[in-house]
Amino acid sequence: QVQLVESGGGVVQPGTSLRLSCAASGFMFSSYAMTWVRQAPGKGLVWVATISHDGTNKYYADSVKGRFAISRDNFKKTVSLQINSLRREDTAVYYCARRVGATYSQFDQWGQGTLVTVSS
Amino acid sequence: QSVLTQPPSVSGAPGQRVIISCTGSSSNIGAGYDVHWYQQLPGAPPKVLIYGNINRPSGVPDRFSGSKSGTSASLAITGLQAQDEADYYCQSYDNSLGGVVFGGGTMLTVL
Repeated sequence: QVQLVESGGGVVQPGTSLRLSCAASGFMFSSYAMTWVRQAPGKGLVWVATISHDGTNKYYADSVKGRFAISRDNFKKTVSLQINSLRREDTAVYYCARRVGATYSQFDQWGQGTLVTVSS
Repeated sequence: QSVLTQPPSVSGAPGQRVIISCTGSSSNIGAGYDVHWYQQLPGAPPKVLIYGNINRPSGVPDRFSGSKSGTSASLAITGLQAQDEADYYCQSYDNSLGGVVFGGGTMLTVL
C-alpha cells in the first residue's frame, strides 16, 4: 500500500538549518508531484512547496521563498525539504503529500508528519 | 487570514445535516479552479473527502457531498455521526498567489 514516512524533525534553535525527508513506497514515485504542507500547533493547514514529478519545476509559498528548498531523488524515492534560517514561526508539523494529476489537483496520500520546534 | 474563508466551527445533533462553506474570490474558486475537501481527525493527517468539487474517493460514505457555485464551495454532511467530529479544510489554487491555498478550517462538533 502507499506509504509516506517523514523524518528529520526535532527541536532546533532559531537561525539554524534543518533537512526534512519523506520516504515513499507502494507507488510509482517518479510519476507524481510531491508537496510539503505544514500545520502550526492548533492552527490550520498551510501549503509550503511542491515539486514536479521529475524535479524540474518547484513552487513555493511566498512566506518561505528564499529560505526553503524542495528536492527529490526518484531513485531513492524520497522528497526533501531544506529549511534555512529557522524562525519560531516555522514551528509546525510538516506533512509530505502526494498530488494526483495536474497543478490544481488534490493531495490524495499524506504522511503522518514530522514535528519541527524552533526554540532557544 | 486565509485566502479561503471557512466558518471556525459548526455543530449538529446526530442524524442532522450540516453545511460547511468555503468562500473564495475571482483569483481562486471564482476562476474555475477545483475545490477539494479534507477531513482531519484529532492527531491524524488530513484525508481527502471530496475532490474536484463533487467527487468522493472510494470508501468515503455518500453522506458527504460537495458543491461549488461562483466564488464559493460547500461541503454537506448528512446523517451526522459521532465519528464525523473533526476539522474540515477546503483547498483550491490561487492564480494571483501562484500556489495552493487552504481554508482556515472548520471544527465540526456533534452534539
